[in-house]
Amino acid sequence: DQQVKQNSPSLSVQEGRISILNCDYTNSMFDYFLWYKKYPAEGPTFLISISSIKDKNEDGRFTVFLNKSAKHLSLHIVPSQPGDSAVYFCAALTGGGNKLTFGTGTQLKVEL
Amino acid sequence: EPEVTQTPSHQVTQMGQEVILRCVPISNHLYFYWYRQILGQKVEFLVSFYNNEISEKSEIFDDQFSVERPDGSNFTLKIRSTKLEDSAMYFCASKQGGDYGYTFGSGTRLTVV
Repeated sequence: DQQVKQNSPSLSVQEGRISILNCDYTNSMFDYFLWYKKYPAEGPTFLISISSIKDKNEDGRFTVFLNKSAKHLSLHIVPSQPGDSAVYFCAALTGGGNKLTFGTGTQLKVEL
Repeated sequence: EPEVTQTPSHQVTQMGQEVILRCVPISNHLYFYWYRQILGQKVEFLVSFYNNEISEKSEIFDDQFSVERPDGSNFTLKIRSTKLEDSAMYFCASKQGGDYGYTFGSGTRLTVV
């Protein structure tokens, strides 16, 4: 049951460039979306979120874009830094916000 | 910064044995969760707990699983009779209220042999 999909298992970007991580969803009941970052041997760490009533949310180097009609969201990191190298998970919530549905993750590697 | 603490970080157990995974959520948080991630797969919801009862559970969370908040600070996940397929990373999470500020612990790696 892949309600949230991250089709790119890995992404490699040069330091200073933009990283774009993509996420697609199928459940139209999702109304809140979150991005988490995960390092090995650690739990997911919240990065940024967006409500379905918005199409963009920005926090420093991180911007999330939501295209509801396409059921697609993306996370932009600019400029990318080596410390950004981690697995990035997209997650979604339905109204009430009790259960996160995660994507499979994208391994980002930022190279010097 | 407040943390969700999980112990142990790694647990090895024999098939059929009971295991208890422990979590100390953030002290003023009211909602508690267990998630798991089988190696190479996505993070999956197991159960949510609020006001001393389960508020939602997934189909993974069958009769072999139980949760408890025995003393107002710990939040435990018990697996009664472990199977090989229970081997996974188990994450505890908590949040304060009706917000979306979930905080995850570092996880317990459960290996069933």
